[in-house]
This record gives sequence, structure tokens and C-alpha cells, in this order.
Amino acid sequence: GENVEQHPSTLSVQEGDSAVIKCTYSDSASNYFPWYKQELGKRPQLIIDIRSNVGEKKDQRIAVTLNKTAKHFSLHITETQPEDSAVYFCAASEKAGTALIFGKGTTLSVSS
Amino acid sequence: GAVVSQHPSRVICKSGTSVKIECRSLDFQATTMFWYRQFPKQSLMLMATSNEGSKATYEQGVEKDKFLINHASLTLSTLTVTSAHPEDSSFYICGLRVGSTEAFFGQGTRLTVV
Repeated sequence: GENVEQHPSTLSVQEGDSAVIKCTYSDSASNYFPWYKQELGKRPQLIIDIRSNVGEKKDQRIAVTLNKTAKHFSLHITETQPEDSAVYFCAASEKAGTALIFGKGTTLSVSS
Repeated sequence: GAVVSQHPSRVICKSGTSVKIECRSLDFQATTMFWYRQFPKQSLMLMATSNEGSKATYEQGVEKDKFLINHASLTLSTLTVTSAHPEDSSFYICGLRVGSTEAFFGQGTRLTVV
């Protein structure tokens, strides 16, 4: 089955800096790669996603890039703000309707 | 998107008792739902896939006799933790996907076994 590796596990940046979180996946059949933000005790919230037919997607300060050949994808947050501090998870799924497999998460801390 | 409602949000039970968690899809008929478990400061680990009208598919290492899953209708899946022990204390989250789109999650259930 799918296995998703995520790095780093913790990331500390200064407000205004950029943050990059990277994930790799094992199943070349995976075609959907979302990123979630989770606050303590709450459900994960989708912040951006990308499908295998696209190499990059951007939404304001957040962008995701996908390299299918290398089987890795990354989350880029620019102009970070203290409210970006949270745990971020990447995930992957093989096909429509199947479960998402999550990475281990990255705790992002943005200090002002 | 789909709206997923999970209850209860918090439950405390005594060791050896059973606890049932409900996951409802309020606006979508879900033939498949997913159950995850999340220990503190860890990731969401897929426990099982719940299939409407048939047996659930459990991930390797998950005890099917301990974590009973029932998906009797297109809008309701339940997870029953039987003979709960303190090590079962965790955050349980259900979810579903609408075709190839994003996943939608319930609010989660914080289970504490004392």
C-alpha cells in the first residue's frame, strides 16, 4: 500500500519568511495529493490540493508543487504569519473514493 | 462539499466497557467511509474502510474484533470500541470522499478510558 514520508517534523520561522514542507510517496498510481492544517483537537482542514496532471498550484500565499517522476510534492507558504502556526499534514491517495494516507505531520511555528 | 457529523465529541469510559462512535453524512450518500485514529502529536492512521451493506476492510494490525464497524445505511457508519483499555484512549476521526475530490472529516471523538 501507499506510504507517505514527510519532512521536517518541526519547522520554526520568523514572521514574513517562507516555509517549505516536503513529502514523498511510494505508490506511483497515486494521483491526488492534498495538504491539511490541523489545530489541536480539531478536524483537519484542507488548505490546498493537487492532482497528478498538474505540476504546480497556487492560492494566494500557499503553493504546492508535484514531481511525479521523483514521487514527491511540497507545500510552500510565503510571507508567513503567526496564525500559520499549526500542524500540517500531507496525504496521498491512489484513486477516487479511496482513503487518504497521511504523512507524519510538520509542526510549524511562526514567531513574530 | 459534504458535511460529516461525528458524535460524541468527547467520551470518558471505564476500562472494560464498550463505546460507540457515530459518523453521519448529512448531505451525501456515502457507500464508503473511513475511520482514523490519532494519538497525541502523531498522524492520522487509517484503521479501516467502512463499506455500506458489507464488511469493513481493516488495515494491518487493527483488531477487527475490538473495533467493530457497522455501515448499515448510506448516511451512517459506527465504530464500537469493545472492552476498552487505557491504551485505546485516542482521537478517532471519520471521513469520506466524494468521488475524486477532497476528503471531508467529522469533528472527531476524544476517547478517554479510565
